Amino acid sequence: EAQVTQNPRYLITVTGKKLTVTCSQNMNHEYMSWYRQDPGLGLRQIYYSMNVEVTDKGDVPEGYKVSRKEKRNFPLILESPSPNQTSLYFCASSFYTGTNIYGYTFGSGTRLTVV
Amino acid sequence: AQSVTQLDSQVPVFEEAPVELRCNYSSSVSVYLFWYVQYPNQGLQLLLKYLSGSTLVKGINGFEAEFNKSQTSFHLRKPSVHISDTAEYFCAVSENDKIIFGKGTRLHILP
Repeated sequence: EAQVTQNPRYLITVTGKKLTVTCSQNMNHEYMSWYRQDPGLGLRQIYYSMNVEVTDKGDVPEGYKVSRKEKRNFPLILESPSPNQTSLYFCASSFYTGTNIYGYTFGSGTRLTVV
Repeated sequence: AQSVTQLDSQVPVFEEAPVELRCNYSSSVSVYLFWYVQYPNQGLQLLLKYLSGSTLVKGINGFEAEFNKSQTSFHLRKPSVHISDTAEYFCAVSENDKIIFGKGTRLHILP
């Protein structure tokens, strides 16, 4: 089954403790992206990657890191989480021809709480 | 700059009544357009998309949308809603290397 797999689904952590949220897709998609979803603010892009070893900042990159060493994986790293990073996070992937993105397949989401 | 405006943050509608969720976008180039649905406590699922061709696009669960280039709109419609359509709906625009989402419209189905 074609899918984007995120782990974990739920995570509670303490301020300053490094964490990684994993994302993997099995559709050979070039483009992968991370979003956070907050009430009243909709979906905001954190980082995106157009292919292996190519990443770029989205609209809210502060406090996050990503890497794209393999085509299928795109982990999101919070080096020193803070309470304002408490949010619902989504990973998404898509075919990308170099001109347009053809539409996302989303993961199921990771609900992160930083205390 | 590219932007997506969903004009209504919430839309209440009676069961079996028709509904239209409005979406306008700003872009100076050709774009791809999408509607996604998010059911309570779930991820986002693609409802339908416009890439090219016919301006009337049919999606899953009886939804359809019409691309209007002159009005830069992509409104979502369903002729008769069901309680199971209760969800948040997001319009999105793809231009070059970005997909931009609207802030969402919550559809409330009234019995």
